[in-house]
Amino acid sequence: KNEVEQSPQNLTAQEGEFITINCSYSVGISALHWLQQHPGGGIVSLFMLSSGKKKHGRLIATINIQEKHSSLHITASHPRDSAVYICAVYSNTGNQFYFGTGTSLTVIP
Amino acid sequence: DAGVIQSPRHEVTEMGQEVTLRCKPISGHDYLFWYRQTMMRGLELLIYFNNNVPIDDSGMPEDRFSAKMPNASFSTLKIQPSEPRDSAVYFCASSLRTVTQPQHFGDGTRLSIL
Repeated sequence: KNEVEQSPQNLTAQEGEFITINCSYSVGISALHWLQQHPGGGIVSLFMLSSGKKKHGRLIATINIQEKHSSLHITASHPRDSAVYICAVYSNTGNQFYFGTGTSLTVIP
Repeated sequence: DAGVIQSPRHEVTEMGQEVTLRCKPISGHDYLFWYRQTMMRGLELLIYFNNNVPIDDSGMPEDRFSAKMPNASFSTLKIQPSEPRDSAVYFCASSLRTVTQPQHFGDGTRLSIL
């Protein structure tokens, strides 16, 4: 059983489309991270959330603690957004991190 | 401002050899994390330190793996003896003050065990 489930696993979009990636988790958490990994391997932390909503440029992340669900939205998608997006949660018991398997996004010009 | 620095970037070695991966966190960061990434298992947290003290090593796969942080500016991940199934990309990351702060990742070490 995976403590963190992401959907979809793969996503292809046309440039300019609005994109949503979902993350559901089954453990109590202190924080949730969204990570971005471009082809070639570098990992960047996009957001850390413990409640509510955060926005950075065209990226918006939301979390609903009661429903144990987070979404990452990309507005006006661009080919440079093509990457794998990984959801990770920090459990509020046991000092442990759990990771989703990632969503592979391809944005076509 | 220097980010997290990992070395080497690539390592190819034969099965049975000792492998040492190195990481220099961002100055002033209190937390250091070691991750492993494979196609089969995705990103896995191996161990993390707070102020040089290991907090959670439950992700370390077996006794062949060990990690140390002798001071605030340096950490090593050692595999002895290495096996082909250890082939992966190993990432180091650091964060400031609390474990829930955004993490800054190094470029990773691509390890191939033949």
